[in-house]
Amino acid sequence: ELKVEQNPLFLSMQEGKNYTIYCNYSTTSDRLYWYRQDPGKSLESLFVLLSNGAVKQEGRLMASLDTKARLSTLHITAAVHDLSATYFCAVDYVTGKLIFGQGTTLQVKP
Amino acid sequence: NAGVTQTPKFQVLKTGQSMTLQCAQDMNHEYMSWYRQDPGMGLRLIHYSVGAGITDQGEVPNGYNVSRSTTEDFPLRLLSAAPSQTSVYFCASSEGLSPFQPQHFGDGTRLSIL
Repeated sequence: ELKVEQNPLFLSMQEGKNYTIYCNYSTTSDRLYWYRQDPGKSLESLFVLLSNGAVKQEGRLMASLDTKARLSTLHITAAVHDLSATYFCAVDYVTGKLIFGQGTTLQVKP
Repeated sequence: NAGVTQTPKFQVLKTGQSMTLQCAQDMNHEYMSWYRQDPGMGLRLIHYSVGAGITDQGEVPNGYNVSRSTTEDFPLRLLSAAPSQTSVYFCASSEGLSPFQPQHFGDGTRLSIL
């Protein structure tokens, strides 16, 4: 059974700190996506990672993909309150079929 | 800039009732999909379509039907609602499959089955 697992599921951190969210998946895939969801809102695309070793950065967020380890990371640098949200990774294991992780709820405290 | 439009935004049904959740996109996207989101489980794919006239099942298709008669519309039908179908439903679309583009999500439909 295909699984996509994120950890941690909940993360409370202070502003200015760094942290990493991990996304492990159980099948071969070289297409991985990160999304952000604010409470009660829809999902917003953050990053699309399409090959082994891919690294994308936007502001204080950086995502990477290691297809051999079946692992993606979302690194947060010097967190700010505006980054508080739930972050999802999703793996495209068969063209058109996305499997989402459970989500990581990030709470950044002033 | 409508993007992906879902209607209704909220709905309460009684067990056994049927209804259709509407989804329309104005971006001429070939790929459309339906997800349900339940607490602690992320999003799960119900059905998807790679173009008009073509649909396929996702992870959790039971109890739901779809059709795709036009590029713009992808309705989701609940034939006989059950309490287990209480969830938030998201429709999404993307431009193409190769390489797979990020999906644009609608605002969701919050559905309660009593």
